[in-house]
Amino acid sequence: GDSVTQMEGPVTLSEEAFLTINCTYTATGYPSLFWYVQYPGEGLQLLLKATKADDKGSNKGFEATYRKETTSFHLEKGSVQVSDSAVYFCALRLRGRRALTFGSGTRLQVQP
Amino acid sequence: GAVVSQHPSRVICKSGTSVKIECRSLDFQATTMFWYRQFPKKSLMLMATSNEGSKATYEQGVEKDKFLINHASLTLSTLTVTSAHPEDSSFYICSARDTGQGYTFGSGTRLTVV
Repeated sequence: GDSVTQMEGPVTLSEEAFLTINCTYTATGYPSLFWYVQYPGEGLQLLLKATKADDKGSNKGFEATYRKETTSFHLEKGSVQVSDSAVYFCALRLRGRRALTFGSGTRLQVQP
Repeated sequence: GAVVSQHPSRVICKSGTSVKIECRSLDFQATTMFWYRQFPKKSLMLMATSNEGSKATYEQGVEKDKFLINHASLTLSTLTVTSAHPEDSSFYICSARDTGQGYTFGSGTRLTVV
């Protein structure tokens, strides 16, 4: 079945450091890919998405590129801020399926 | 934007009792809601898809008699954990498909069964 694998956290970085959170997936067909972020005490929020190969999703300085050849959707940001501290979830949705399949989440801690 | 309110955020109950978790869409109508469960360091696992006015669709391995889902209106879905046991302790999250066809999530419920 379909699945999403994320790097384990927590990831601890200093402010202005470069961020990469790895995400790979296994799926039949060509899923849509998503990154969600969960700030403390809040629900998951959509950060960015990509619906086909080579698409790049971007939002708030975060980027991720849909790589079909490596079945990956790594999240990157050039310069993190303390306010980026949160849990990040990679997810996919297969065509014809209503629900999302999530990875286990990666906690990011950014220190001043 | 779309908002989903989930209550309670935390609940502690005794083994053998039942617990109800509510998920409300505040400013949109949600014909479909989803219930997820998260174990520590594990993925959010889809438990069931809740459809307004009809029976929920449960994922394989989820006990429908233990996790009762009711979606009686376009703005409310409830998950009742019946005869709870310590192994039911987990983090439960609901999600609704909003009018823009995106997903809006509740903030989750931490259930502890003692």
